[in-house]
This record gives sequence, C-alpha cells and structure tokens, in this order.
Amino acid sequence: GQQLNQSPQSMFIQEGEDVSMNCTSSSIFNTWLWYKQEPGEGPVLLIALYKAGELTSNGRLTAQFGITRKDSFLNISASIPSDVGIYFCAGPGYGNKLVFGAGTILRVKS
Amino acid sequence: DAGITQSPRYKITETGRQVTLMCHQTWSHSYMFWYRQDLGHGLRLIYYSAAADITDKGEVPDGYVVSRSKTENFPLTLESATRSQTSVYFCASSESMDRGKGGANVLTFGAGSRLTVL
Repeated sequence: GQQLNQSPQSMFIQEGEDVSMNCTSSSIFNTWLWYKQEPGEGPVLLIALYKAGELTSNGRLTAQFGITRKDSFLNISASIPSDVGIYFCAGPGYGNKLVFGAGTILRVKS
Repeated sequence: DAGITQSPRYKITETGRQVTLMCHQTWSHSYMFWYRQDLGHGLRLIYYSAAADITDKGEVPDGYVVSRSKTENFPLTLESATRSQTSVYFCASSESMDRGKGGANVLTFGAGSRLTVL
C-alpha cells in the first residue's frame, strides 16, 4: 500500500530552537495535511496544503507542499514547551482515504 | 456535547473476549473512520463508512467488525480480542471526501480509546 516516510522519528530540543521535519510519499499527492497529537488526545489539524509549492503558516508553524508533490515539510520556529507532542503528516491514499506517516515525537527542554 | 466522543476511554480485557468501542459524532458528517495507533506505525485505517449502512475495509480490518445503523454512531467490535489488538483506537469523521472541494479529506478525531488485551 501507499507509504509515507516521516523523519526524524523523534527530536529532543532546547526551548527557543527551530524545528524541521519532513514527509515523503511513494506517489504523487494533491493534498498534504499536518496534524499534532498532544498526550492523551486525538490528532488535531494544524495545516492543510492543496497546491504544489504552496507555503502556509499558522503562527510559528510553516508548512510547504513540495514541488515534486511527493514531499512536504513542517517547520516550527522558536519552540516552546507546549509544542511537545507527536506530529503526523497525512495525505490521500487509495480511494482518497487518509494515510499517515509514523509521526515525529517532539520533546522540548526548557 | 458537540463534537466526536469515544467510549470507553480506557479498557482492559482478556484474550478471547468481545469488546465494543463506541463512537458518536454530532455534526452529521457522512464519513466516519476507525484508526489504530501503534508506535512506529502511525495511524492505520481499520474500517470506514461513507454513510449509514455503508462500510468498507481499510488497511488492517482483520479481527474487527463495524456497523453504522445511524449516521451519528460508528461502533467498532473486536469479536475475540487478541494481544496484538492492544492499541489506542481513534474514531474520526469527515464532511467530505471530494478531491475537488477545499477542506477535502480533513478528519476530526475523537480523544481515543486505549485498549489493553491481557
């Protein structure tokens, strides 16, 4: 089936640092979504991307839809303790059903 | 309460027992989904439903049964639980699956049900 490769698997960073993570697909996507999951909760949508090359921001978060349509990137600037969580990329797989990456676990040291 | 609610939030059961996880949404969304979350695998689709009385298999359907007699409810049943079904289960809903619409494929998730099978 369709696979999304998300990296890194985990990050342990100092408060105030910038964070970058990415996701690659084995096939072309027309939509990329980024979700965040906080401990004990379900994933919540952060950013949705619908066009190759699109760059979209949500506060300190910026996501980009790769030109090849096979990748996407999420950056977090000036991280704070509440950024802790698991970040998932997602895209439409077979039958337009969402497939998810394995997630990037983010820990922030204050 | 408005939104999507799952119950129970936590469940411990034994191998071979039947377990049902409940999901209820108040938005009248057509589409509902069940995912399981396991370390290293992210979220994997178990079953989904496009409308009442319409269900279909996802990536990992074996050992699970679903039904959707009403639009707002989408229960997931493990008919004979196994240890490999220990996981966190998430229900989600979506208004549309249409590629052409803005907001397509955006899922809203419940808070999850953590199931332990001993």
